[in-house]
Amino acid sequence: GAVVSQHPSRVICKSGTSVKIECRSLDFQATTMFWYRQFPKQSLMLMATSNEGSKATYEQGVEKDKFLINHASLTLSTLTVTSAHPEDSSFYICSARDSKTHSGNTIYFGEGSWLTVV
Amino acid sequence: AQKITQTQPGMFVQEKEAVTLDCTYDTSDPSYGLFWYKQPSSGEMIFLIYQGSYDQQNATEGRYSLNFQKARKSANLVISASQLGDSAMYFCAMREGWAAGNKLTFGGGTRVLVKP
Repeated sequence: GAVVSQHPSRVICKSGTSVKIECRSLDFQATTMFWYRQFPKQSLMLMATSNEGSKATYEQGVEKDKFLINHASLTLSTLTVTSAHPEDSSFYICSARDSKTHSGNTIYFGEGSWLTVV
Repeated sequence: AQKITQTQPGMFVQEKEAVTLDCTYDTSDPSYGLFWYKQPSSGEMIFLIYQGSYDQQNATEGRYSLNFQKARKSANLVISASQLGDSAMYFCAMREGWAAGNKLTFGGGTRVLVKP
């Protein structure tokens, strides 16, 4: 089946630094990717919709200058957490839609990335 | 108002028995899709089953079946013959609109623990 790969799976960074997380569709093209954040024992919350070749659409309350999203190709979206703080520590997970199908359930998730800011 | 509600934060089930996980949703869009995902402690989201709003029959995938009650706006997941490996968090999610590119809204999740 379709595969979405996320990297890194775990990352620890110092407070004030920036960290980049990659979301890559391995065997399909994805014009749209989604970034979610999940705090411990909570549900997934959509942060933004990443659109290939255009600006991302952010959900209400998500700082676009802090969470930079770049979707420069049909197979790669990146999320950069800028000037990270301990409260940004969370599980970040992406999903992607296969652009060539119109079936309602062709949404695939990456493995997720655990970010710890110390 | 919550768009997706899972009222059971956690539940125990005996191995080999069936378990039903509740999910109710709220949307005014006539075209929508309902998903169930399993999330083990590793964090990955494992797709289990999908039901489209226009699907006439309830979806089934192996030991998973979806009890779709459209008038009640419920989409309960039934896991038959529970296995120890079924212990995980389970999330119900909804996609509003016809295009698969639309975002998913998730419920709060239900933690299932299968007892031997």
